[in-house]
Amino acid sequence: QQQVKQSPQSLIVQKGGIPIINCAYENTAFDYFPWYQQFPGKGPALLIAIRPDVSEKKEGRFTISFNKSAKQFSLHIMDSQPGDSATYFCAASTNTGNQFYFGTGTSLTVIP
Amino acid sequence: NAGVMQNPRHLVRRRGQEARLRCSPMKGHSHVYWYRQLPEEGLKFMVYLQKENIIDESGMPKERFSAEFPKEGPSILRIQQVVRGDSAAYFCASSPGVSGQFFGPGTRLTVL
Repeated sequence: QQQVKQSPQSLIVQKGGIPIINCAYENTAFDYFPWYQQFPGKGPALLIAIRPDVSEKKEGRFTISFNKSAKQFSLHIMDSQPGDSATYFCAASTNTGNQFYFGTGTSLTVIP
Repeated sequence: NAGVMQNPRHLVRRRGQEARLRCSPMKGHSHVYWYRQLPEEGLKFMVYLQKENIIDESGMPKERFSAEFPKEGPSILRIQQVVRGDSAAYFCASSPGVSGQFFGPGTRLTVL
């Protein structure tokens, strides 16, 4: 059973576009929602994270939007660049931190 | 402050041999997680350890796989009698507690 559902599976945008990746969850005990960026042959790198007490968090060109009532959160990449081409994973965990549940990943390609 | 270190980066084993994967967490991190990633797939949780204790091994196969995180030294993921289906990238992540996990570069295991 997939605890965190992520979509789309792949995404192609033009340079400067705003790709949006969505994730949904069911477990209301989740209270920490990170996003990871992974380049081919590398480990995932923590990009940005949010807790449910805020509806939006912005770091540079990356923004997380969080909708607690809908149990959904999304990643927006402003002014996307070819260097942003990577696989993005959302995740969720509870405050006990025992286990992080990852989405299945979104392969993003930004065309120059 | 060095990041999470994993070695070896690449490991080739023949069917039936043993594979030992090592992970040194970031300084000050006492929580270690192991994940498996197949090509074009997401991260599958295997096991969560703290020093000298296995906290959650619900994602680990019951046979042939074991993990430890001794008081001194790195965490080790051990796979006995490897089979072709064990070929994957194995990632270790560490955390200081209930917050983001920081991933190592991974060990790519190939079983011939």
